Order: sequence, then structure tokens, then C-alpha cells
Amino acid sequence: DAGVIQSPRHEVTEMGQEVTLRCKPISGHDYLFWYRQTMMRGLELLIYFNNNVPIDDSGMPEDRFSAKMPNASFSTLKIQPSEPRDSAVYFCASSLGGAKQETQYFGPGTRLLVL
Amino acid sequence: AQTVTQSQPEMSVQEAETVTLSCTYDTSESNYYLFWYKQPPSRQMILVIRQEAYKQQNATENRFSVNFQKAAKSFSLKISDSQLGDTAMYFCAFMKLMNYGGSQGNLIFGKGTKLSVKP
Repeated sequence: DAGVIQSPRHEVTEMGQEVTLRCKPISGHDYLFWYRQTMMRGLELLIYFNNNVPIDDSGMPEDRFSAKMPNASFSTLKIQPSEPRDSAVYFCASSLGGAKQETQYFGPGTRLLVL
Repeated sequence: AQTVTQSQPEMSVQEAETVTLSCTYDTSESNYYLFWYKQPPSRQMILVIRQEAYKQQNATENRFSVNFQKAAKSFSLKISDSQLGDTAMYFCAFMKLMNYGGSQGNLIFGKGTKLSVKP
């Protein structure tokens, strides 16, 4: 089975530009998570969805960040406008809900560099 | 709020030897899961092992095992017969179980331990 798919794998952009990160979860998984990894803050949750509905977006840093999940097989994380401090690795993860299915499987990440 | 602490920023071990990575956590919850994830230089996050808090038996996965001490809130990872491919960052993570049947919570990660396996 294909794992979590993220695109692009690398993104270099200039400050002020819009950035869109994409994620395809594992088929059948009903939870989707967006995490950000930086040297300073480590791995932190940005937002997560259950059955395409956002459950907790308290980790989204500010209004410049938005996430959508229009269907069970696709999610986007958008940064507009981007700033140098947004440079990080962004991970998408998915999992099944229900007892004994709580393991989150991570995608390969998108390395974002904002100049 | 839950916190996860990994007190060893870096460790090294000789190939074929055994190494133990430490993790402690702080929570008032009684139902939760604990995980160890591995992040090699490729940056892919790979699940190594998980432990359900309600289980007294320590989880094992081949060369990887944990020492789960619930009262002490300690969750260490032991890697036996270390291999060069074990070189990676290792993250300990906590997940609270929500009150309604089996629902998900988000992972809370420690800062990680960088493990180097030397030939």
C-alpha cells in the first residue's frame, strides 16, 4: 500500500509569496494531521482533521496559515504571505480512529525555505 | 498540559552493542499511548514501537524494546545489537486518548535524541 504522500518535497520561495503544501493520506484513514518541525521548536502540531472536519487548529501560528481537507484523500496547507520564519519541514500524517488504531503514519515531509 | 522530556540530546554506541534512550513525560491522564519514532537523515518519520498505558507488559519489536514505568512516568527505548542503520534522531511521543471511544489525539513530541552507531 502507498504511504502518506506529500508534495512538493522541497520548496524554495521568496518572502511574500503564497505557498501550498499538499498531502494525500493513506486510503481509509479518517484522521489527518499537519505537523511542523524546526530546530527551535521541534515537532509541533498545527492542525488535525477527522472525517475531513478540522478538530483542533490551535497550533496554527497565525492567520497567514490555513488548511483544508475537501475530501478524504486530499488536504492542503497554505501559507499566504510566507515569511522567512516559516522555513521548516512540514509533515502530514494519517491514522485510523477507533481502539487500537491510533498509530500515526507520516509522509516524507516538505522542506520549505522562505528567502 | 502534557510534556515529554528526552534528557539525552546525543548518544553514541558501538555496532552490535546495546543502548538505552531515556524519556520521561508528565501527564494527569490515565489513558494514553506512548511511541518511539525514528528519523534518519532522510527526515522520514518512522514508527519504531508503541506502548498502551493500560498494558503492564513492555512492548517489543525485534531488536527494540521499551521499559515502561507508569508510576515513574518513564518510557525508555532499548536497542539491542545496534546496527549502522539505526543511526538517526529518536523521538519519544505521547498521545492522550480522548474520552469518547478510541478517538484520536495529537502526538506531543520530545526534543529528540541523536543516536550515532559507530562501526
